[in-house]
Amino acid sequence: QVQLQESGPGLVKPSETLSLTCKVSDVSLHTNSFYWGWIRQPPGKRLEWVVSMYYSGSTYYNPALKSRVTMSVDTAKFQFSLTLTSVTAEDTGVYFCVRGERGQQVISVFEHWGQGSLVLVSS
Amino acid sequence: EIVMTQSPDTLSVSPGERATLSCRASQSLGSNLAWYQQKPGQAPRLLMYAASIRATGLPARFSGSGSGTQFTLTIDSLQSEDFAVYYCQYYSDWPPEVTFGGGTKVEIK
Repeated sequence: QVQLQESGPGLVKPSETLSLTCKVSDVSLHTNSFYWGWIRQPPGKRLEWVVSMYYSGSTYYNPALKSRVTMSVDTAKFQFSLTLTSVTAEDTGVYFCVRGERGQQVISVFEHWGQGSLVLVSS
Repeated sequence: EIVMTQSPDTLSVSPGERATLSCRASQSLGSNLAWYQQKPGQAPRLLMYAASIRATGLPARFSGSGSGTQFTLTIDSLQSEDFAVYYCQYYSDWPPEVTFGGGTKVEIK
């Protein structure tokens, strides 16, 4: 059973960079059968897709966040990471790491989710 | 940009009754529509994809329908564990984009 676990600081100052890591268990990242990524949920608001990436390096972004987002995969450490630069209070929320399986669409649904990591942007 | 609108915001249903949730898109999605269930403090759980295909292990009391701009998630004979928030999600063919609806909370009447 695939398990994903987010980690990272719970508090980030405005204008600084948010960094999160997702540790993956019981599955290899060394495959293009799956895509990995991040989805966030501001308090009381709808889910928002942030970014998805394949092992090959193909990366797909939410256009609204693309200029500030970087995602990377470290197969040796069984983890992938998210960085979001120049954060504001609008970036506060729970960040979920996710996995989906490649199908007819390059990115479609997300079958596996981490439990989520709460990030507060505040001075 | 495709906008996803779910209705109602809150649905009050008695256990054993049917719940019908709606998701409307501002443009045609074909069948590129998924549904998720989220309980308090938990991550969302995939229920349905391609509008009407149940995820592995999902009970048959959950069914999805629709295409184009109007979609429905139906839950027959609501069980206690079904009271949660439900989100629809659009996924595009190309370029890859993902958009979620605002959610419908199903609460005990």
